[in-house]
Amino acid sequence: NAGVMQNPRHLVRRRGQEARLRCSPMKGHSHVYWYRQLPEEGLKFMVYLQKENIIDESGMPKERFSAEFPKEGPSILRIQQVVRGDSAAYFCASSPPWRVTEAFFGQGTRLTVV
Amino acid sequence: TQLLEQSPQFLSIQEGENLTVYCNSSSVFSSLQWYRQEPGEGPVLLVTVVTGGEVKKLKRLTFQFGDARKDSSLHITAAQPGDTGLYLCAGDEGGATNKLIFGTGTLLAVQP
Repeated sequence: NAGVMQNPRHLVRRRGQEARLRCSPMKGHSHVYWYRQLPEEGLKFMVYLQKENIIDESGMPKERFSAEFPKEGPSILRIQQVVRGDSAAYFCASSPPWRVTEAFFGQGTRLTVV
Repeated sequence: TQLLEQSPQFLSIQEGENLTVYCNSSSVFSSLQWYRQEPGEGPVLLVTVVTGGEVKKLKRLTFQFGDARKDSSLHITAAQPGDTGLYLCAGDEGGATNKLIFGTGTLLAVQP
């Protein structure tokens, strides 16, 4: 029973490039969440998705960030034109529809912008 | 936005000692989770508490949800070096969003 899978684990991008972070939820989980953990800060909610729908994106920066969870395939968090301030650990979590309040986290993608 | 304050921020103790970590808010949560996070890894869910006054035990760990569902505590008995890590509480705001509000974290180091 595989857990939440995120890839890549580490990602280095130059300023101005695009970063794509992938997340495959646990089997049977239809709810996906993205969180960001900045250095010396706590985990902050970014976006909540169900298959083909964005339910809550109140934590997403207004520009350059987007997320999707297509009918087939993993959820993608996309950051366009990255800046140094985007350097952080990005965590994906999933939960089953019968227990949406319990989130199981992946190992995260550590994004470094140089 | 609701805030969750954890105390203490840092705790360094000897193996075998007991400790308590607190998680406080001025707001009410539908449920509250406790996670442990190790360096370079994602948070691992330890427990979910839902009912005010609820107490849950997980081996040497005891979790309590306050009667008013605004605060929670985690008590560890006879701490071991394997308990070392960052402990995070997270509250569910309820409603349709299901998003978690994470606490500020308590970094625990258990010395052998």
